[in-house]
Amino acid sequence: AQSVTQPDIHITVSEGASLELRCNYSYGATPYLFWYVQSPGQGLQLLLKYFSGDTLVQGIKGFEAEFKRSQSSFNLRKPSVHWSDAAEYFCAVVAGGYQKVTFGIGTKLQVIP
Amino acid sequence: KAGVTQTPRYLIKTRGQQVTLSCSPISGHRSVSWYQQTPGQGLQFLFEYFSETQRNKGNFPGRFSGRQFSNSRSEMNVSTLELGDSALYLCASSFSGTSGRDTQYFGPGTRLTVL
Repeated sequence: AQSVTQPDIHITVSEGASLELRCNYSYGATPYLFWYVQSPGQGLQLLLKYFSGDTLVQGIKGFEAEFKRSQSSFNLRKPSVHWSDAAEYFCAVVAGGYQKVTFGIGTKLQVIP
Repeated sequence: KAGVTQTPRYLIKTRGQQVTLSCSPISGHRSVSWYQQTPGQGLQFLFEYFSETQRNKGNFPGRFSGRQFSNSRSEMNVSTLELGDSALYLCASSFSGTSGRDTQYFGPGTRLTVL
C-alpha cells in the first residue's frame, strides 16, 4: 500500500525567506502526487499536481514542486514566503485508479515578520 | 461555478447518538469522496461514491456509512457516536474519479463534536 511521509510537523520561516516542505512517498511505481493547502477553518485547496513528464511542476500562489524518482520525493518550494502563506500543507498520493487518496500528516507553516 | 458545499458546518452531539452529514458536489461532478480529519490521525479516507455506488472504502467500522443520490449529492451517517468520532469531516468531488488524475475539490468541512 502507498504511504506518504512529511517529516516536518511544524516549520517557521521569516517573511521573504525561501521555503521548502519535504514529502516522501512509498509506492512501487510512479504515483500521482499532489500538494494541498488548508487555511484555518477551511477545506483543502490544490496547489499543484504531478502525473508524468517534466519533473518540475508549477502551481498556484508561486509554489513549485520537484519530483525526484531516485529519492521518492516530491518537495514543495517557494522562493519568497508571504505572511498569507501561513497554513497547513499536505502532500498526497494516488496510486492506481479511482480516488483513494493517501495524505501525509501535514506540515504547519508559521510565517514571522 | 459553485464549489462543494457541506451542511451543517458545525454539529454537537452526545455519545450514542447518530448524525447525518450532507455534501453537494460541484455541478457535473459525479464522484464524491469523504475524509475524516483529526489532529492525531490526519486525513483519512472514508469512502468514495460514483453514480450512487460505493466504489472505494477506507478502514473504518461499519458505524460509518454513506450514500449518494441520483443528483450526485451525498450523505454520510455515523451511528452510535463515540468521543473519538469528533473530527472535521471533509467531502471532495471530482468529475469522474476513474483516474487518479482527476482533481478533487474539497468543501469547507463539517466540524463534529461528540460530548
